[in-house]
Amino acid sequence: QKEVEQDPGPLSVPEGAIVSLNCTYSNSAFQYFMWYRQYSRKGPELLMYTYSSGNKEDGRFTAQVDKSSKYISLFIRDSQPSDSATYLCAMRSRNTGFQKLVFGTGTRLLVSP
Amino acid sequence: KAGVTQTPRYLIKTRGQQVTLSCSPISGHRSVSWYQQTPGQGLQFLFEYFSETQRNKGNFPGRFSGRQFSNSRSEMNVSTLELGDSALYLCASSQGRATGELFFGEGSRLTVL
Repeated sequence: QKEVEQDPGPLSVPEGAIVSLNCTYSNSAFQYFMWYRQYSRKGPELLMYTYSSGNKEDGRFTAQVDKSSKYISLFIRDSQPSDSATYLCAMRSRNTGFQKLVFGTGTRLLVSP
Repeated sequence: KAGVTQTPRYLIKTRGQQVTLSCSPISGHRSVSWYQQTPGQGLQFLFEYFSETQRNKGNFPGRFSGRQFSNSRSEMNVSTLELGDSALYLCASSQGRATGELFFGEGSRLTVL
């Protein structure tokens, strides 16, 4: 079983919909949680970065972390066709290297006009 | 500010050959890491360098190696290439702090024939 599980999708929604993307993990030592967006033939781009549990909002994006359930979510409000991409969750523990992230396999999102 | 630059962007090699990939981090970033991305396994951590020292290594065979120079630029080398080494190799840089964000380059796509 992988340390981080993420539904590969694809997830297809109409423009304007609220999108919910999720990851579950098994390592209780994870304390830093990230969401990356990756367009085709591009490198991952950091969207959200949270530490420990709680919510964080940035524009149309909201990240939630529930450490008790080992579950993280990314919500996208008023989704746009330009949001069509692969969304990757990533996480790391406090005592591993600063750049040693464990990634989910990514969820492909398709937003239709 | 220029982003993370990786060269070459695309390359084709045959089994048994070796390859060297280059990464120039964001100016001022002292930490560089490398990831392998494949459709089946997603992003997997290869290694992390900080101030020319390898700080962390992933679970890859010894054929995969890397180094970092005094100007923070980094190279990774794969010797005796196998078909399974075909992947997108991504470099990421950060300031090296505990809460530092990782910024990825666009990757070098390696095809092994």
